[in-house]
Amino acid sequence: EVQLVESGEGLVQPGSSMKLSCVASGFTFSNYGMNWIRQAPKKGLEWIALIYYDSSSKYYADSVKGRFTISRDNSKNTLYLEMNSLRSEDTAMYYCAKSGLLAWGQGVMVTVSS
Amino acid sequence: DVVMTQTPPSLSVAIGQSVSISCKSSQSLVYSDGKTYLHWLLQSSGRSPKRLIYQVSNLDSGVPDRFSGTGSQKDFTLKISRVEAKDLGVYYCAQTTHFPLTFGSGTKLEIK
Repeated sequence: EVQLVESGEGLVQPGSSMKLSCVASGFTFSNYGMNWIRQAPKKGLEWIALIYYDSSSKYYADSVKGRFTISRDNSKNTLYLEMNSLRSEDTAMYYCAKSGLLAWGQGVMVTVSS
Repeated sequence: DVVMTQTPPSLSVAIGQSVSISCKSSQSLVYSDGKTYLHWLLQSSGRSPKRLIYQVSNLDSGVPDRFSGTGSQKDFTLKISRVEAKDLGVYYCAQTTHFPLTFGSGTKLEIK
């Protein structure tokens, strides 16, 4: 069974940094691209980043470009999202999702507030 | 960016009735490999989204055949036949043909 489990949830102040992790199991992680997608409270879904299976390419939404970095460690079956210069508008549930959007994690809540 | 226009924003339907949700994209979703990467997701209350249909019309494993997807190029439809109580939630269309990936604004399905 495919499983994606995010961690790193928390409350941080504007301007600070935070790192999310997503541990994958049930499939060959190193064969698939991975996404981070977020959902602000009571809002729709917003894709924010994708990384190729071998980390050779990374893509970002304009809203996070230059502030967020997606990375992965295939030896640990783990996807990461490093978030810097956090803003109140980054407050959202953050999901990792397998390429093609077939599998999603349970999500972690990131709250940016003073 | 590809804009996904999803309608209606909400639907109220009786058990056993059928419903359709429309999703129109601002650009063709046909990729260079000839495939169309338009998918349908369901987010039940308090849960993560779940993919129901991929590449316009292919049902994911375990999805009942009451669900069907049709369409091409820029115009797509999700149909749910014989709606059941467990179908309630918010339905999203999503395109993964172009970067950035984009989603429709969602259609909330409520049961009368």
